Amino acid sequence: EPEVTQTPSHQVTQMGQEVILRCVPISNHLYFYWYRQILGQKVEFLVSFYNNEISEKSEIFDDQFSVERPDGSNFTLKIRSTKLEDSAMYFCASRGDRGLYNEQFFGPGTRLTVL
Amino acid sequence: SQKIEQNSEALNIQEGKTATLTCNYTNYSPAYLQWYRQDPGRGPVFLLLIRENEKEKRKERLKVTFDTTLKQSLFHITASQPADSATYLCARSTGGGNKLTFGTGTQLKVEL
Repeated sequence: EPEVTQTPSHQVTQMGQEVILRCVPISNHLYFYWYRQILGQKVEFLVSFYNNEISEKSEIFDDQFSVERPDGSNFTLKIRSTKLEDSAMYFCASRGDRGLYNEQFFGPGTRLTVL
Repeated sequence: SQKIEQNSEALNIQEGKTATLTCNYTNYSPAYLQWYRQDPGRGPVFLLLIRENEKEKRKERLKVTFDTTLKQSLFHITASQPADSATYLCARSTGGGNKLTFGTGTQLKVEL
């Protein structure tokens, strides 16, 4: 069964460093998302991406964040200068085009720890 | 503001019983709601979707109801098993990109 994959599973970085989180969505999906979950809190939307551009972003997704789909298969989230409060699980998700409200498929997540 | 809320208290039930989880929404009328399961350290997994014109949706031991008058969705797991222990999230989808807005989730523990 096709699945969303994410690498690395755990990333430790120093405050101020740049990190790139990688995702491979399900191959025939057209909509891509990043969410994050701070420990003990709810899953929060960061950004959605369709047709090679951002379709919506949250207040969390400020100028320090960017997304890219560089080669038609990978979908990346870059944080330019990490802060302590960026420590969280980051989930990538993708969605097909079978209808307006169909489900999203989530990856296993990358745990980002900022020291 | 628009809110989607779940009972944040954990729910402990005995194996074989029916678990019922609640999702309430305020200040808007979603066209539909989705339910996901999340295990510790893992991503959410889609379970069921129910539209506002559907009163009830079933999938194996799972049942979801949608009451637009009460602004509430109920999620039932019948004949519960310890393997059903997880956090269950309800979510609504909005915007052109159909981002998901999740509730806080309810942790379910099924005991032997």
